Amino acid sequence: NAGVTQTPKFQVLKTGQSMTLQCAQDMNHNSMYWYRQDPGMGLRLIYYSASEGTTDKGEVPNGYNVSRLNKREFSLRLESAAPSQTSVYFCASRPRTGTNSGANVLTFGAGSRLTVL
Amino acid sequence: GNSVTQMEGPVTLSEEAFLTINCTYTATGYPSLFWYVQYPGEGLQLLLKATKADDKGSNKGFEATYRKETTSFHLEKGSVQVSDSAVYFCALSATGGGADGLTFGKGTHLIIQP
Repeated sequence: NAGVTQTPKFQVLKTGQSMTLQCAQDMNHNSMYWYRQDPGMGLRLIYYSASEGTTDKGEVPNGYNVSRLNKREFSLRLESAAPSQTSVYFCASRPRTGTNSGANVLTFGAGSRLTVL
Repeated sequence: GNSVTQMEGPVTLSEEAFLTINCTYTATGYPSLFWYVQYPGEGLQLLLKATKADDKGSNKGFEATYRKETTSFHLEKGSVQVSDSAVYFCALSATGGGADGLTFGKGTHLIIQP
């Protein structure tokens, strides 16, 4: 099925451990995004990649790094996990960046639930 | 910068009640407007969209009309079902603005009781 695939779906870490969340899309989209979702906070953008080879900080980038490995894949890395990073993480993609075209719709993955103890 | 404001809830209704979730926005230019829905344990998915003033988006019995004069995009449904229980996000996509032109509201948690 076409769409956005995230792995892992669930992960428990200890404070200070590192891990990488993987994301891949098979829709030939140019733009990819990482969001976190916390109760009462809505969606907050961590990083995005407007096109292959570029990445930009979003609203809450501290403590995270990203890599746009190729057009399909966009990974999110936590170098030293903290309890404040306990959250549900969503990857998303859309055809292109920064337009108001109605066709420029985001497609989301199913989410990765991360708990940091 | 761009912004989206929506009621956060939770909004609790009985089955077959009429639903309105308010959404207002601030944006430069002429944004496209979207409603996304998130069912429990899932990612967000597009519910409906509108790309210009007076457009009406509709899907699964839900409707929203792009009102430029009031900068609003309120979500309505005439008769809700238990299966409509979810979190609903209003969003806009604009040329320019922060975060690649995408802005989300904080989401409205809708609970439908049988």
